[in-house]
Amino acid sequence: DAGVTQSPTHLIKTRGQQVTLRCSPKSGHDTVSWYQQALGQGPQFIFQYYEEEERQRGNFPDRFSGHQFPNYSSELNVNALLLGDSALYLCASSRMAGVNSPLHFGNGTRLTVT
Amino acid sequence: AQSVSQHNHHVILSEAASLELGCNYSYGGTVNLFWYVQYPGQHLQLLLKYFSGDPLVKGIKGFEAEFIKSKFSFNLRKPSVQWSDTAEYFCAVRRQNFVFGPGTRLSVLP
Repeated sequence: DAGVTQSPTHLIKTRGQQVTLRCSPKSGHDTVSWYQQALGQGPQFIFQYYEEEERQRGNFPDRFSGHQFPNYSSELNVNALLLGDSALYLCASSRMAGVNSPLHFGNGTRLTVT
Repeated sequence: AQSVSQHNHHVILSEAASLELGCNYSYGGTVNLFWYVQYPGQHLQLLLKYFSGDPLVKGIKGFEAEFIKSKFSFNLRKPSVQWSDTAEYFCAVRRQNFVFGPGTRLSVLP
């Protein structure tokens, strides 16, 4: 049991479309981070949400946006999909108050853009 | 820019062989260091972490890692691997956010 749940598990979209991915953090966690993992690579940081605000952002274009809800769950939205957006999208949760809190990952959403 | 490098892309070992996976990071100052493992079809799981203190840290499943500040390294070791250790291993560094290395795929032959 991952504790962090993501939906859907797989998604196929066409270039130019928009997609929304969802994440529920592990119980007791208040911070959600999103990562993109291309095939054969390590996870790349997209952004982090805490208290319903984007707190940090990686080197991703504005087509990538997110939201965090009062119950700490989060969404990742990607607009104007490109073929290069095909990847595994990982959600990770942690506790902001725990300075040394490690990340707990979900199983990811596999996005394929055709 | 922060970067994390892992020495090997793919390592193949026989059961009972010793394992060492290299990890180097590119910046100084205080860092938190982690090793994560991703077993086939499963989510990323924390193997071990280093924050401060004893530079030799022990994790789950018999893994350990040594932090060498002067070398900016955090290598992962296991004295005797098992077939069930077959997985992808990721080194990660945290300052403001987590930066992951590209991963090392470990294949253990029975």
